[in-house]
Amino acid sequence: VQLVESGGGLVQPGGSLRLSCAASGFKVSNNYMSWVRQAPGKGLEWISVINSAGNTYYADSVKGRFTISRHNSKNTLYLQMNSLRAEDTAVYYCARQFRYYYGSGSIDYGMDVWGQGTTVTVSS
Amino acid sequence: EIALTQSPGTLSLSPGERATLSCRASQSVSSSYLAWYQQKPGQAPRLLIYGASSRATGIPDRFSGSGSGTDFTLTISRLEPEDFAVYYCQQCGSSPGTFGQGTKVEIK
Repeated sequence: VQLVESGGGLVQPGGSLRLSCAASGFKVSNNYMSWVRQAPGKGLEWISVINSAGNTYYADSVKGRFTISRHNSKNTLYLQMNSLRAEDTAVYYCARQFRYYYGSGSIDYGMDVWGQGTTVTVSS
Repeated sequence: EIALTQSPGTLSLSPGERATLSCRASQSVSSSYLAWYQQKPGQAPRLLIYGASSRATGIPDRFSGSGSGTDFTLTISRLEPEDFAVYYCQQCGSSPGTFGQGTKVEIK
C-alpha cells in the first residue's frame, strides 16, 4: 500500500500546476482521498477531499482555485492548482482517509496512508 | 470551523520519561473523530491514534490516547529515542478536518 506524489516545482504567482498521486495496493476509487499541505516550518492544513462517489470538498483557502480529481484506470489522484499565490508555497501530501463502515453510515478515523510529499514553490 | 489548540508548544524531556500532550477543541468533538499523528523532519505524518484511543496498525503500546468532548490527551509512557518528533491532533468529524498547531517533543 503506497502513495507517490509528483508534479511539484517552482511556479510564478498566478500560474498553474497539476500534482499527481499514484496509488498502489488499493483502489483510489474505493476510498476517500485527501490533499493536505504544510507550509515551510508550519503545521498541517487539510485542503481537499474526494469521496468514493466522486463528490469533492475544499478548504476555503483554495476553493475556486484548486480542483481535486481522480483517474480510476490509472489509480491516480490529482490536484489541479490555478491562480497560485505565494501563500500556496508548501509541501503537498496526498493521503487515504481511514474510514469505518457500519450499516448505512461511516466514521472518518483520519488518514492512514500518506505519500512522501511534493514541494510547490510559488515565487517570481 | 472547529479550532484545535495543542499544548504545550514544546516539551523537553529525556528518554524514558513520560510525555503528556494536550489537544483542546473549540467545540465538542465526538471521540470517534479525534486522531493523533507523529511527524519527523522531512517525513510525512504517520497516524498513531484514531477514535481518540485506538492505536493504528503497528503503533507500540507506549502510545495511548484518551479524552472526550473538548479535551483530549496523547500519552507516551516511556520516551524512546525515535519518539522525539512533532505530534498533531486532528478532528475528522466536521469539515474542514482541522489540525492542531502541533507539539514538538524534543530531547532535554
